[in-house]
Amino acid sequence: QKEVEQNSGPLSVPEGAIASLNCTYSDRGSQSFFWYRQYSGKSPELIMFIYSNGDKEDGRFTAQLNKASQYVSLLIRDSQPSDSATYLCAVNNRNNAGNMLTFGGGTRLMVKP
Amino acid sequence: DAGVIQSPRHEVTEMGQEVTLRCKPISGHDYLFWYRQTMMRGLELLIYFNNNVPIDDSGMPEDRFSAKMPNASFSTLKIQPSEPRDSAVYFCASSLGPFGSGNTIYFGEGSWLTVV
Repeated sequence: QKEVEQNSGPLSVPEGAIASLNCTYSDRGSQSFFWYRQYSGKSPELIMFIYSNGDKEDGRFTAQLNKASQYVSLLIRDSQPSDSATYLCAVNNRNNAGNMLTFGGGTRLMVKP
Repeated sequence: DAGVIQSPRHEVTEMGQEVTLRCKPISGHDYLFWYRQTMMRGLELLIYFNNNVPIDDSGMPEDRFSAKMPNASFSTLKIQPSEPRDSAVYFCASSLGPFGSGNTIYFGEGSWLTVV
């Protein structure tokens, strides 16, 4: 079992719809959760981070965390064609030696005009 | 401020040659990470440093790979000898401090390596 799992997609949504991206993780000790966006041929860029159970909103983006169920999700409201990218979920797997960030395989999102 | 700077951006080399990738982290960042990204395996952590000291190198695939950080502003990832299966995008990233304190990692633009 991979430590961080995402559906590879592609997830296709029409412009203006809500895109829902999901991620599950295996390490119950994980404490910090991040969503990155990666355009084709580019490096990942941070969208949001979340530490506590519940929802966190930032503009059109909402991150949701449920530690009991070990999943984190990202909702994108009013999806735009410019949101078409691969979305990477990343989880902090704290260990005795320090901090590491483990990434899921990413979900490819396609927003159709 | 300048972000994480990597060089070269693109490299094509022949199997068996030595490859050296370079990285300059964001000034003041105490953590430096080397990741490799392929279609098959996604984004994998190879090694990371804290205050120039290697902390975890369990992701380094084999002895052909080595990484150094001689000072706070420079790191190298070396592959010797290179093989076609090493073809990937290698990202360097840096972080101000431990995760969970509002910190996250910032990626360089990547080094696109092709070994033929």
